[in-house]
Amino acid sequence: EIVLTQSPATLSLSPGERATLSCRASQGVGTYFAWYQQKRGQAPRLLIYDAFNRASGIPARFSGSGSGTDFTLTISSLEPEDSAIYYCQQRSHWATFGQGTRVEVK
Amino acid sequence: EVQLVESGGGLVQPGQSLRLSCSASGFTFDDYAMHWVRQAPGKGLEWVSGISGNSGIVGSADSVKGRFTSSRDNAKKTLYLQMNNLMPEDTALYYCAKALRTGRTDPFDYWGPGTLVTVS
Repeated sequence: EIVLTQSPATLSLSPGERATLSCRASQGVGTYFAWYQQKRGQAPRLLIYDAFNRASGIPARFSGSGSGTDFTLTISSLEPEDSAIYYCQQRSHWATFGQGTRVEVK
Repeated sequence: EVQLVESGGGLVQPGQSLRLSCSASGFTFDDYAMHWVRQAPGKGLEWVSGISGNSGIVGSADSVKGRFTSSRDNAKKTLYLQMNNLMPEDTALYYCAKALRTGRTDPFDYWGPGTLVTVS
């Protein structure tokens, strides 16, 4: 089973700052990689797929990069509504998720 | 508009079985793989099981292999998760999710609101 390790566990930043979230896979997954946002009490929402493609309706401030084992989600200028937990996902072999990074925007 | 609605959750005792359903609308159901993802209270997401559009390929996570399996009825546009020999650690909110494209391992672009399963 492919294990995904996200860092940091928590990120606390101010509006307008840049957030950088990382995810490392235990083995290479090519670009079969996605990022999701989950707000409290809601189902997850797809942000980025195939490592760097924004899903429909996702603001341009969200961007993804990486391939193989190391991936990054960048939020270029944080908005208060970006407070959420962010999960990475590989789909090289079915699917697994990382443990999540909590982003607090204060 | 794509809609996914799960049902069938509830309180069960360890060792019992439960079948979850996910009713789909707003898209050509049999074109897309479908998946189950669960989230234990206060915990992260865990992929549980997935099934290709024609039911030819079914997969499950190691944690539920041999106990849980997905199936689907394309005529009824419904996805199922048969859960046997339930354990307390299976307590979670169970989401069904639709694949973005026709590939069986494509990411999940639509999710239902979830149905809660409690094993106690």
